Amino acid sequence: GESVGLHLPTLSVQEGDNSIINCAYSNSASDYFIWYKQESGKGPQFIIDIRSNMDKRQGQRVTVLLNKTVKHLSLQIAATQPGDSAVYFCAEKGINAGNMLTFGGGTRLMVKP
Amino acid sequence: DGGITQSPKYLFRKEGQNVTLSCEQNLNHDAMYWYRQDPGQGLRLIYYSQIVNDFQKGDIAEGYSVSREKKESFPLTVTSAQKNPTAFYLCASSAASGNFEQYFGPGTRLTVT
Repeated sequence: GESVGLHLPTLSVQEGDNSIINCAYSNSASDYFIWYKQESGKGPQFIIDIRSNMDKRQGQRVTVLLNKTVKHLSLQIAATQPGDSAVYFCAEKGINAGNMLTFGGGTRLMVKP
Repeated sequence: DGGITQSPKYLFRKEGQNVTLSCEQNLNHDAMYWYRQDPGQGLRLIYYSQIVNDFQKGDIAEGYSVSREKKESFPLTVTSAQKNPTAFYLCASSAASGNFEQYFGPGTRLTVT
């Protein structure tokens, strides 16, 4: 079936640098996307979301970019901090999927001090 | 505080025993979900419920059972029929429509030996 996936399983960045985590999706009918952060041994926490009628959305230190032409989603974290070290998941919702989310495999972000 | 709770955080069982994981939410959400997460993997949907007294199988329902007798509660039973039950189990809830964000509990790590 349709799926959501990630390009990089592990991303290592220097503290203070910007991080970019990528996600490819295959369902062209997806109308909602969301990023979660999961720290070790904990449940995922909401970071930011975006609907398909938008290309970009900004939060505090985070920006999500949506490129519907190539079905690509990215999460940008500015001035990455050690506390940003975690696994990041993208998820998408198909337009006919009610409120069901399909999760990608996750990317581990490691921040070097 | 509004939120979603899971108990216990760690659970140990002998092979062949059924075990029930608790999930409670006070967010007044109609929909609730159970996911399984294996080490270094993403989230796989076990069961979900959109409304009280109704639930649907997810992608990996075999060996699991659920009930939804109350809006606030969605317990998951891992039965002896589940071939590989050791995993991290996550419960989530969401509004029925409009806001698609799923709110996650802290998770229960089940170890079966």
